[in-house]
Order: sequence, then structure tokens, then C-alpha cells
Amino acid sequence: DGGITQSPKYLFRKEGQNVTLSCEQNLNHDAMYWYRQDPGQGLRLIYYSQIVNDFQKGDIAEGYSVSREKKESFPLTVTSAQKNPTAFYLCASSIGRDTQYFGPGTRLTVL
Amino acid sequence: AQTVTQSQPEMSVQEAETVTLSCTYDTSESNYYLFWYKQPPSRQMILVIRQEAYKQQNATENRFSVNFQKAAKSFSLKISDSQLGDTAMYFCAILSTSYGKLTFGQGTILTVHP
Repeated sequence: DGGITQSPKYLFRKEGQNVTLSCEQNLNHDAMYWYRQDPGQGLRLIYYSQIVNDFQKGDIAEGYSVSREKKESFPLTVTSAQKNPTAFYLCASSIGRDTQYFGPGTRLTVL
Repeated sequence: AQTVTQSQPEMSVQEAETVTLSCTYDTSESNYYLFWYKQPPSRQMILVIRQEAYKQQNATENRFSVNFQKAAKSFSLKISDSQLGDTAMYFCAILSTSYGKLTFGQGTILTVHP
């Protein structure tokens, strides 16, 4: 079945640690995106990538980093510079600049 | 810049009845797409319906339909024959076709009562 997978489902981070969230898609989509969702809020764009080996900052990129070495994969690293990383993180993908389809999400909690 | 406003934080409806969720938006672009996404308690974002701005005809998907008023920058979602499984947070969103950026509203929590 085609789709978007995110792992892990739940992630716990200690202060000062970097953690990496995985996002994989087998839809053959060119573009991939990372969003952050805080309780009771809409989604905010962290980073996006329209093609392999290229990515752009979104609205809230500070404290995050990404890579796009393969079309299928777009991992997000939450660095220790991110002051308040506890949130729900959603990955999405699309064919060009069209409808975005979302993965199931990762819940990150800072201990 | 694009903005999306959902003025109803919470709505409720009886099973089998009809409910309408409101959304207004602002954009300087002439070509864009509008969406409604549903986020049930599982938190997965699920596409409900898509509207292309250059099409005058309102999109429909089974029990879901939209009222797209381009001049008024309004994009409401009507859910007919509401079902318990429709209980979720609903997000209105606008996609810039120039940049591929999707901007979301704050969401409306819909509860369907038996």
C-alpha cells in the first residue's frame, strides 16, 4: 500500500539532546514537508523540500534541521537549540505544488 | 502573505443532521487551492475536500460540500447526514501554487451527538 510513515509514534527527549524524527513515503511524490502542531492550534511549517538535495526554511525553522538525500525520505532533527520542542510533528508530501497528504505524526515530549 | 480564519472554535450537531463550518481567507494570489482537512482523535490529518480557485463550481465529496464565494473570500464546509465518525477537529487551509505553502486556520472542533 502507498502511504507516508512516520517513526517513532512517541519520542521522549532529555534537555540538551538532539533527536531525529523519521518520515518516509512510497507515493513517488516530489515534495515533502514538516509541520509542528501545538495543542489546540493549527499547523505551522518548519521546513519543506521540492526536490532531492534541496530544501527551504518555513515559518519556524529555528532549532530544527533537515536533509533530503533520497526522494522517499525527509528526516527532521530537533536540536538542543529548539527552546520548546514539545509538540506533535506531522510530515506531508505532494506532487509538485498541489494537495498535501499527511503521515500519522510523532508526539515529541521533553523530559 | 496568506491568512485563514475559522471563527467557530467549537460546533455540535445531532446525528443525521446538517452542519456548516465557516472559513474566511486572505491572499494576494490569483491562483490557489482551498482545502478542508479533518483531524480525528488519532491526530492523523485526513483530506476531506479540495477546491481550485479558478473553478466556480463548488466541490462535493459524498456528504461533504463547500460553498466557495471567491469575491467574499469565504469557503464554508457543509456536512450532511452527520455521523458519529465525523467527530473531529476540522481545519481550513489555503495553498499557494506559487510557493507550495499550505497555511492553516486555527481549527473548529466538531462534536456529533447520538
